Amino acid sequence: AQSVTQLDSQVPVFEEAPVELRCNYSSSVSVYLFWYVQYPNQGLQLLLKYLSGSTLVKGINGFEAEFNKSQTSFHLRKPSVHISDTAEYFCAVSDTGGSYIPTFGRGTSLIVHP
Amino acid sequence: DTAVSQTPKYLVTQMGNDKSIKCEQNLGHDTMYWYKQDSKKFLKIMFSYNNKELIINETVPNRFSPKSPDKAHLNLHINSLELGDSAVYFCASSQTGPNQPQHFGDGTRLSIL
Repeated sequence: AQSVTQLDSQVPVFEEAPVELRCNYSSSVSVYLFWYVQYPNQGLQLLLKYLSGSTLVKGINGFEAEFNKSQTSFHLRKPSVHISDTAEYFCAVSDTGGSYIPTFGRGTSLIVHP
Repeated sequence: DTAVSQTPKYLVTQMGNDKSIKCEQNLGHDTMYWYKQDSKKFLKIMFSYNNKELIINETVPNRFSPKSPDKAHLNLHINSLELGDSAVYFCASSQTGPNQPQHFGDGTRLSIL
């Protein structure tokens, strides 16, 4: 079985500053990794995913994430955030050979201040 | 076009009542899910259906009963509602497979008085 840890429950940042949201996972087999974003009063939307290949993955809205197998991490980054990036961000992992139901982290609330 | 739609968006009712939430997806996916999100945003899988067959049934009280009349629909019926059932319920769908991302509806906010 896999598990996901999002180390920060809340990340406050000023507009136009860079941000990194941390995600670590645990699994005995290879994994697929996902980041989702949830804006207020909406469902989750896929930001980006890592399936295989290049460890640097680019997603929507200028976000990117880097898969680091040795550190079992999949941190999400954006070089310059906007007020509109204020949302809840979820990291999710699924085993390549197991259940197709992903395990979600507890979420990180990104708060962008003007 | 809305990919995954849930109705109603808000549901306010009293303890002990029975209520249903409907979900429909027009993405042609063969797997659908129900999640419960609590006030701290924690997302918990409740059920998963693949081609109308129940695949996953996590530790959910028997008062919750999913029904899938066809691949595009997965409804959730809740009997004898309790205060602890207050939450946001999300329907999602995907193609089958661990590498397939999920597509979520906008949620149904259930409040028990």
